[in-house]
Amino acid sequence: KNEVEQSPQNLTAQEGEFITINCSYSVGISALHWLQQHPGGGIVSLFMLSSGKKKHGRLIATINIQEKHSSLHITASHPRDSAVYICAVGGGADGLTFGKGTHLIIQP
Amino acid sequence: DADVTQTPRNRITKTGKRIMLECSQTKGHDRMYWYRQDPGLGLRLIYYSFDVKDINKGEISDGYSVSRQAQAKFSLSLESAIPNQTALYFCATSDSTVLRPQHFGDGTRLSIL
Repeated sequence: KNEVEQSPQNLTAQEGEFITINCSYSVGISALHWLQQHPGGGIVSLFMLSSGKKKHGRLIATINIQEKHSSLHITASHPRDSAVYICAVGGGADGLTFGKGTHLIIQP
Repeated sequence: DADVTQTPRNRITKTGKRIMLECSQTKGHDRMYWYRQDPGLGLRLIYYSFDVKDINKGEISDGYSVSRQAQAKFSLSLESAIPNQTALYFCATSDSTVLRPQHFGDGTRLSIL
């Protein structure tokens, strides 16, 4: 069973700061997912990546397959980025294994 | 309209009651999943289905059952609810190709008294 560890668990930052959230996993995978969960509860898929780096707006996700590690970066953070960010890994078609999430608060 | 719809959105019920949570999708995906989320534990897989004839247990299937009535519908049942099944429940779907993101419903908040 894959073990997924995220850090930090909680992060409070000021608007405009560069944010980094880390994710490590224990077993080789086919793909890693970054998800966002807003206070209302809904979950949105931000990225799915199996190698390298992806960028969408102010969000950047990287993965190092050899080190079994991924990072999610937010540039020029904004209060609307406040959410729980969840890392999940999938080794095949049978669902995902999730980290416990990082609770991010961006203060104005 | 949402691509993945869960009903009900909220439910409060008593210990011992039978509960059904329903999930329907308009994305045409073959694969459907049920997860539960507990504070401090993250999401965990309850059951998953690759098509109407293929149902599989996940990490925490005890106390739950599912039914895949059609490609678009996947229901989760608690036959005799107990308080430690109080949680936020999510349905998700994905394409049959392995490397595809999952699409989540808005969740069902279930409280068992």
